[in-house]
Amino acid sequence: KAGVTQTPRYLIKTRGQQVTLSCSPISGHRSVSWYQQTPGQGLQFLFEYFSETQRNKGNFPGRFSGRQFSNSRSEMNVSTLELGDSALYLCASSLGDKETQYFGPGTRLLVL
Amino acid sequence: KNEVEQSPQNLTAQEGEFITINCSYSVGISALHWLQQHPGGGIVSLFMLSSGKKKHGRLIATINIQEKHSSLHITASHPRDSAVYICAVNNDMRFGAGTRLTVKP
Repeated sequence: KAGVTQTPRYLIKTRGQQVTLSCSPISGHRSVSWYQQTPGQGLQFLFEYFSETQRNKGNFPGRFSGRQFSNSRSEMNVSTLELGDSALYLCASSLGDKETQYFGPGTRLLVL
Repeated sequence: KNEVEQSPQNLTAQEGEFITINCSYSVGISALHWLQQHPGGGIVSLFMLSSGKKKHGRLIATINIQEKHSSLHITASHPRDSAVYICAVNNDMRFGAGTRLTVKP
């Protein structure tokens, strides 16, 4: 069974631009969660989607948004990029609540 | 104070040693996760537990709900165990800062 895939793997943007990251979960998994990892803040939860509905949201500004499609694939969007948005963005999928999460390799975003 | 505290921050061990990493939390939880992150960023979920103890190979995870504390033990440590170990709680995944483990041959 294929693992969680994320595209692109690396991305360079400039301040003020927007970016869309994609996550394809393991087949059959309906829950997708997104995380941001930076050297200063560590790992932080962004949001979780289940069957196209956002179930949980972390403490991030409205510039960060996401969605999930009927095939469980998910995208997250960051608008008006800031230098501090430079990070590793990870997604993870699971069958549902209280199930093991499987992480993708991440998208490394650099904002210049 | 962070909701999830890990100790130690850094740990160096000799191959074969028994290792313990601790995680304390201050919120009510439905589940606690132990994750392993290797250099390069890949994260693997090691355990998810809400009570008692789980074992997988040389790894053992325990949780004490009353004391709001969990431990991750590695028996007969090996250099390939070198990684960052991260504790996280609940579905909205509140993370500890991680413990960087280095196992020397």
